[in-house]
Amino acid sequence: DAKTTQPTSMDCAEGRAANLPCNHSTISGNEYVYWYRQIHSQGPQYIIHGLKNNETNEMASLIITEDRKSSTLILPHATLRDTAVYYCIVRVFSGNTPLVFGKGTRLSVIA
Amino acid sequence: DGGITQSPKYLFRKEGQNVTLSCEQNLNHDAMYWYRQDPGQGLRLIYYSQIVNDFQKGDIAEGYSVSREKKESFPLTVTSAQKNPTAFYLCASSGTGGSQPQHFGDGTRLSIL
Repeated sequence: DAKTTQPTSMDCAEGRAANLPCNHSTISGNEYVYWYRQIHSQGPQYIIHGLKNNETNEMASLIITEDRKSSTLILPHATLRDTAVYYCIVRVFSGNTPLVFGKGTRLSVIA
Repeated sequence: DGGITQSPKYLFRKEGQNVTLSCEQNLNHDAMYWYRQDPGQGLRLIYYSQIVNDFQKGDIAEGYSVSREKKESFPLTVTSAQKNPTAFYLCASSGTGGSQPQHFGDGTRLSIL
């Protein structure tokens, strides 16, 4: 079973920041937090991952709380093309372990 | 371009037939994975392989088989024993060690005629 809890759906106005929360209260010390998104009928797209420090790349920022029990994915300026299902996943950082997907958050960006 | 290629994009199967889905990667990744996705659901793991000539069952392996004879290829066979094969099938791969993320292909949609 997935070790994360996410809201089922969220809306965001185009051009505004989208903040997607994720709860992972049972995360272990050797587990990373990964974020993927899936646009309809496509394969999931990797966004970002982190262990305990905040991370930023060209797509998004990942904010992890100090106790590591929750995190937030931030899309700084959401566009219509960011409409997708966003998955938050925890995964052991070694051994090429498979990902365990939950149902994710369906983000709708509204013009 | 480096990436993961799944073919075909759409596949139709008659009742009682086996069918093989192709997955090829040119990323030089050691590990490869097969997932199944049903409408409105997350992905579920069918099989994965961490190295050539070795693979492990995932959560829903019944009715499926795989082989890993080459590093770049990980075909999935959906056998007639799979009672509900209609789904979206996704292949992924990842590099060795550390926190390397998995990268996915564009999927194959299988339907029963």
